[in-house]
Amino acid sequence: DQQVKQNSPSLSVQEGRISILNCDYTNSMFDYFLWYKKYPAEGPTFLISISSIKDKNEDGRFTVFLNKSAKHLSLHIVPSQPGDSAVYFCAASAAQAGTALIFGKGTTLSVSS
Amino acid sequence: ETGVTQTPRHLVMGMTNKKSLKCEQHLGHNAMYWYKQSAKKPLELMFVYSLEERVENNSVPSRFSPECPNSSHLFLHLHTLQPEDSALYLCASSQDLGGINYGYTFGSGTRLTVV
Repeated sequence: DQQVKQNSPSLSVQEGRISILNCDYTNSMFDYFLWYKKYPAEGPTFLISISSIKDKNEDGRFTVFLNKSAKHLSLHIVPSQPGDSAVYFCAASAAQAGTALIFGKGTTLSVSS
Repeated sequence: ETGVTQTPRHLVMGMTNKKSLKCEQHLGHNAMYWYKQSAKKPLELMFVYSLEERVENNSVPSRFSPECPNSSHLFLHLHTLQPEDSALYLCASSQDLGGINYGYTFGSGTRLTVV
């Protein structure tokens, strides 16, 4: 049973528009959430994170929103750029309990110019 | 070198072979991990080491055997694998298990093909 779910395998967006990637989780013990970005032939790289005590975290063009009651988080990229085209993984952990990160299947984002 | 380095980048092995994947981190991290990425599946956590001790083993078949001789090195020993074990094997390290401090740092992975 997947604890972290990314139900959209792919997303296509035009350059300059907003990209919204979604993630749902089932484990109420999760208290730390991260987004990773992966290019082909490379390992995932850390993008942005959010603690369960917050509902929003922003870093430049990237914003992560957390809705604890819905067990849902989303990554917003504004404005989207062709270089953002990659696979985006959502990950979660029960950080205070010291458990390792659990990842979703990933969403492939394609940004066209 | 900096970051997390994995060797080899690509590996083709027969089902009766024995091979090892190597991971090295130069970040001074305390925890290291092996993840498996198969097509259309989540990254699957295989093994977790914290301060050189295995702390988690997610029901991985015994044909995969990890080894962590020190805090900078992690190996995955492979023996009598099956074709369905073909995947991208990713090593990662972190300062803490939960990834609070900047998450995990991943290597580029080893693309394994079992024939």
